[in-house]
Amino acid sequence: ENVLTQSPGTLSLSPGERATLSCWASQSISTNYLAWYQQKPGQAPRLLIYGASSRATGIPDRFSGSGSGTDFTLTISRLEPEDFAVYYCQQYGSSPLFGPGTKVDMK
Amino acid sequence: QVQVVQSGAEVKKPGASVKVSCKASGYTFINYGITWVRQAPGQGLEWMGWISAYNGNTKYSQKIQDRVTLTTDSSTSTAYMELRSLKSDDTAVYYCARSRSLAIPYYFDYWGQGTLVTVSS
Repeated sequence: ENVLTQSPGTLSLSPGERATLSCWASQSISTNYLAWYQQKPGQAPRLLIYGASSRATGIPDRFSGSGSGTDFTLTISRLEPEDFAVYYCQQYGSSPLFGPGTKVDMK
Repeated sequence: QVQVVQSGAEVKKPGASVKVSCKASGYTFINYGITWVRQAPGQGLEWMGWISAYNGNTKYSQKIQDRVTLTTDSSTSTAYMELRSLKSDDTAVYYCARSRSLAIPYYFDYWGQGTLVTVSS
C-alpha cells in the first residue's frame, strides 16, 4: 500500500512570499493521478490541482503543481491572505489516499 | 451550478448505525461517481469509499469496508453512506464529493458541506 508524506508539517510565511509544499509517495503514482486540496477551518476541502499539474476550474494561476512518479510539489507564487490554510495531496485511481497535510500559517 | 448538499448532524450511541445522505444537483448524476471522506476532530482527511452513480460499482477503504455501505438513488440524484457498529473514534465530519469519473475513484471536484456524526454514550 502506498504512503504519502508531506513536508514541511507547518510552513510559516508572510503575504507576498513564495510557498513550496512537497508530497512524496512510497511507490510511484501511475499516470500522475495526484491532486492537491486546500482546506480552511470549518470548511470542506477545495480542489486546486489534478493530474499533478492541471489547475481546477476557478483556481488562480499563482497556484501551480509539478512533479511525477514519487515526488510532487505545490507552489504558491505569492501568498495572498486567503491562502493561509492546510493543504493536502491525494493519490487517486484504484486506491485513493490523502497525505497528512501541510499547514501554511502567517509569520 | 453544481451543488452537493448533505443531511444534518447526527448523534448516535456506540453500536448503532448512521445513514448520511448527499443530494447532488446541477449536473447529470449518473455521469459521475460519489466519494466519501471523513475527518476526525483536529485530524486529516481519510478516504472511506467511492461509488459509481452509473452502475453502482463500489470501492471501499480496507480499514472500514466491513462496516460501511454506499448506495445511490438516481431518481433523486442522492447518494447515501451507512456506517454500522459505530465506535467513539467514528466521531468525525463526513464529507461527500463528486468524483470526476464513473469508472474509478478519481479526483473530487465538488464537495458537500459536511455532516458531523458524534458517537457518544
